[in-house]
Amino acid sequence: EAQVTQNPRYLITVTGKKLTVTCSQNMNHEYMSWYRQDPGLGLRQIYYSMNVEVTDKGDVPEGYKVSRKEKRNFPLILESPSPNQTSLYFCASSAWRMAGADTQYFGPGTRLTVL
Amino acid sequence: SQQGEEDPQALSIQEGENATMNCSYKTSINNLQWYRQNSGRGLVHLILIRSNEREKHSGRLRVTLDTSKKSSSLLITASRAADTASYFCATSRMDSSYKLIFGSGTRLLVRP
Repeated sequence: EAQVTQNPRYLITVTGKKLTVTCSQNMNHEYMSWYRQDPGLGLRQIYYSMNVEVTDKGDVPEGYKVSRKEKRNFPLILESPSPNQTSLYFCASSAWRMAGADTQYFGPGTRLTVL
Repeated sequence: SQQGEEDPQALSIQEGENATMNCSYKTSINNLQWYRQNSGRGLVHLILIRSNEREKHSGRLRVTLDTSKKSSSLLITASRAADTASYFCATSRMDSSYKLIFGSGTRLLVRP
């Protein structure tokens, strides 16, 4: 089944404890991205990747890191999480790198709470 | 920065009625997409309309695009309780097609 998977689905952590949220897609998609969703703010793009080893900042990249060493994986790293990073996170992918012109396939989401 | 803004923020209708949601954006675009999100779940793509298209249909969905007004509307006809969800428009600016910007969404409640 074609899908985007994220792990973990739920995570409660404490300020400053490094964490990684994994994202994997099995559709051989070029483009992958991370979003955070907060009440009243919709989805805001954190980082995106147009292909292996090619990443760029979205609108809210501060406090996050990403890497794209393999085409299928795009992990989101929080080196020193803070409470303002408490949010619902989504990974998405599309076949074509021009995200605006292609269907985005979303993962199920990761609900992160930073205490 | 917000590119798309949906209106209304929330909409409550009776099953069988039509639901109309609007999206306004700020800069010139190549395409505009609509997505649906069931409570807290991942978004699902509904329809994409290109800047040279004025209207597009998909089943009970009808999307219009007015580039002169920088706005789009999503019409769901003969709504069902299962249409209850949040709906988002998403655009990418002409000068930055790799970045997708979502609006804040319209919450639709369809009462049985």
